[in-house]
Amino acid sequence: NAGVTQTPKFRILKIGQSMTLQCTQDMNHNYMYWYRQDPGMGLKLIYYSVGAGITDKGEVPNGYNVSRSTTEDFPLRLELAAPSQTSVYFCASSYSNWASGANNEQFFGPGTRLTVL
Amino acid sequence: KNQVEQSPQSLIILEGKNCTLQCNYTVSPFSNLRWYKQDTGRGPVSLTIMTFSENTKSNGRYTATLDADTKQSSLHITASQLSDSASYICVVTLTLTSGTYKYIFGTGTRLKVLA
Repeated sequence: NAGVTQTPKFRILKIGQSMTLQCTQDMNHNYMYWYRQDPGMGLKLIYYSVGAGITDKGEVPNGYNVSRSTTEDFPLRLELAAPSQTSVYFCASSYSNWASGANNEQFFGPGTRLTVL
Repeated sequence: KNQVEQSPQSLIILEGKNCTLQCNYTVSPFSNLRWYKQDTGRGPVSLTIMTFSENTKSNGRYTATLDADTKQSSLHITASQLSDSASYICVVTLTLTSGTYKYIFGTGTRLKVLA
C-alpha cells in the first residue's frame, strides 16, 4: 500500500492563479482531511469528508473548495491564490472518525509546499 | 479558550540522553490526546494516543503520560537516537456539543539529537 499520496510536492503560484492539490489514499478509508501548517503554528483543518459525496468545512475553509467523487480521491482547489495561502498542505485519512476513538488512527501524506507570490 | 501549549519550543540533546517534552492544554471537554512525530518535510506520524482514563502509554522508547486533572501530558524519550530528531506535536480532541469533534494541534517541540 502506498498509503496517502499527494501531488505536487512543491508549487509556486502567482496571485490570482488557481490550482488543485491532489490527494489519493489506497487504504479504503472513509474519512479524509485537508490541513494547512504555517511556520510556528499548529495544523489547522481546512475541510474534511466522511465519505464519497460528503464534505464539510473545518476551521479555516475560506479560499478553498473540495470535492469527493470517489473514496480514494480528495482534491483541494484554490481558485484565486493569495499570499496568505502560502503554507504546507497535508492530506490525511482514517477508517472512521479519527477524533472519536482511541483506535482510529489518522495517516498523513507527505505534504505539498505552496508559495504564492 | 481551547488551547494546546507545548514546551520547550526547541531542544538540543546528545545522542543516548533522555528528554521530556511537555504539553499543557485547556481543552474541555476532553476526548483524547495524541503525540505525533513529524520529520522534516514529512507528514506527522502517530506515536501514542490516550483517553482521559489512561495515565501512560508506551511505544518503544517513547512513553507518554497524562494527568487529566492538571491537564498536562508529557512525552519521554529514552536513550535518544539521531533519528529522533524531529518535531513532536501534541494534539487534543475537543468534544463539541453537537456530538462532533474538533482537533486542537499544539505548535510542536523541535528536537535535535547530536552525535
